[in-house]
Amino acid sequence: GQQLNQSPQSMFIQEGEDVSMNCTSSSIFNTWLWYKQDPGEGPVLLIALYKAGELTSNGRLTAQFGITRKDSFLNISASIPSDVGIYFCAGPPYNNNDMRFGAGTRLTVKP
Amino acid sequence: SQTIHQWPATLVQPVGSPLSLECTVEGTSNPNLYWYRQAAGRGLQLLFYSVGIGQISSEVPQNLSASRPQDRQFILSSKKLLLSDSGFYLCAWSKTRFTGELFFGEGSRLTVL
Repeated sequence: GQQLNQSPQSMFIQEGEDVSMNCTSSSIFNTWLWYKQDPGEGPVLLIALYKAGELTSNGRLTAQFGITRKDSFLNISASIPSDVGIYFCAGPPYNNNDMRFGAGTRLTVKP
Repeated sequence: SQTIHQWPATLVQPVGSPLSLECTVEGTSNPNLYWYRQAAGRGLQLLFYSVGIGQISSEVPQNLSASRPQDRQFILSSKKLLLSDSGFYLCAWSKTRFTGELFFGEGSRLTVL
């Protein structure tokens, strides 16, 4: 019930294309976070969302906190080779639970 | 500013040998500390968390243990490693436990042979 279902599992795109990935859960989340993990390193926070309906941008990245509080999406516009990595959604489910992570979306960008 | 470091970065150990991974946080006090494991191609599994010195909570029963001897030090240990302990181990900290953003260390890759 508190699992995060992240899709797609992997994406192979051409440089310059836009990317969209999402996360859903059957539980309500208070916060949605999106992380990026470069190979062999720890994940780094990209965007944090704290209110239902919130739409936040960070450069070419845009993320939204779903109105139902059970989903979130991350868009990357005009992808570049350094966007390669694994993107994780994460969040603490409602009512005091530690951070849960999606299984990740592995992004490959072909130059 | 706050920093988090963990070591060693890479470790190759035989089955049955002990393990000690260390993590330290600088620039903050009384952080919440976490150990996660990431199996190849999979998400992050929470192993342990700590809200203070000597306070350890385990998320899953396993062959590993954790200790927090100082406020900003978190150690992951095992007395006898199993093959299934192989993986990428990540230490993280947060200011608040339930809504706080997690900040990760560089990771430690453990291979058990």
